[in-house]
Amino acid sequence: DTGVSQDPRHKITKRGQNVTFRCDPISEHNRLYWYRQTLGQGPEFLTYFQNEAQLEKSRLLSDRFSAERPKGSFSTLEIQRTEQGDSAMYLCASSSSGTARRGEAFFGQGTRLTVV
Amino acid sequence: EDQVTQSPEALRLQEGESSSLNCSYTVSGLRGLFWYRQDPGKGPEFLFTLYSAGEEKEKERLKATLTKKESFLHITAPKPEDSATYLCAVRGGGSNYKLTFGKGTLLTVNP
Repeated sequence: DTGVSQDPRHKITKRGQNVTFRCDPISEHNRLYWYRQTLGQGPEFLTYFQNEAQLEKSRLLSDRFSAERPKGSFSTLEIQRTEQGDSAMYLCASSSSGTARRGEAFFGQGTRLTVV
Repeated sequence: EDQVTQSPEALRLQEGESSSLNCSYTVSGLRGLFWYRQDPGKGPEFLFTLYSAGEEKEKERLKATLTKKESFLHITAPKPEDSATYLCAVRGGGSNYKLTFGKGTLLTVNP
């Protein structure tokens, strides 16, 4: 499978715990995005990487959220001190410079986070 | 701030009954309007990109069109496997990368 891979698919955590999600983009893609989606809503942009550089962050990304993309390969999204409002589907997408203008961002299956 | 409004929120069709989904948008300097399909519990699947008013794209039973204020996704003779949530998104002049999505239209096609 050469698509975008996310791990884990599901995560249940207690309020106040830290969680980390991983995203492996399509291998030749240099652009990587994180979005968050709650029930009945469209995805909301969180952050964007070009190679290893984080170039844009949404105001939605509070200081409890941090994302990295070491060496421009896989990416991790960490949420510290989780709150019930963090419960959502976290989606990762990737694209290459050549296709970014056409908007062909390919999404992974997402990580469903439930904070109890 | 870019805004996208999709209507209807939900649409139920009989197999073979053609219809259209609407996406109205407000954006400063449109850099692209995108349609995605999303099945329950899965990530969005890219369908089309439109860049300028008058542009049209087709794929199987789907056809997307664009005006200066809205886009339509026309579904011709739908089948049950077309049942999904259809998402519309725009990329505005304020960002080269960020997509702003609408809430989607949940389409159900009954056999």
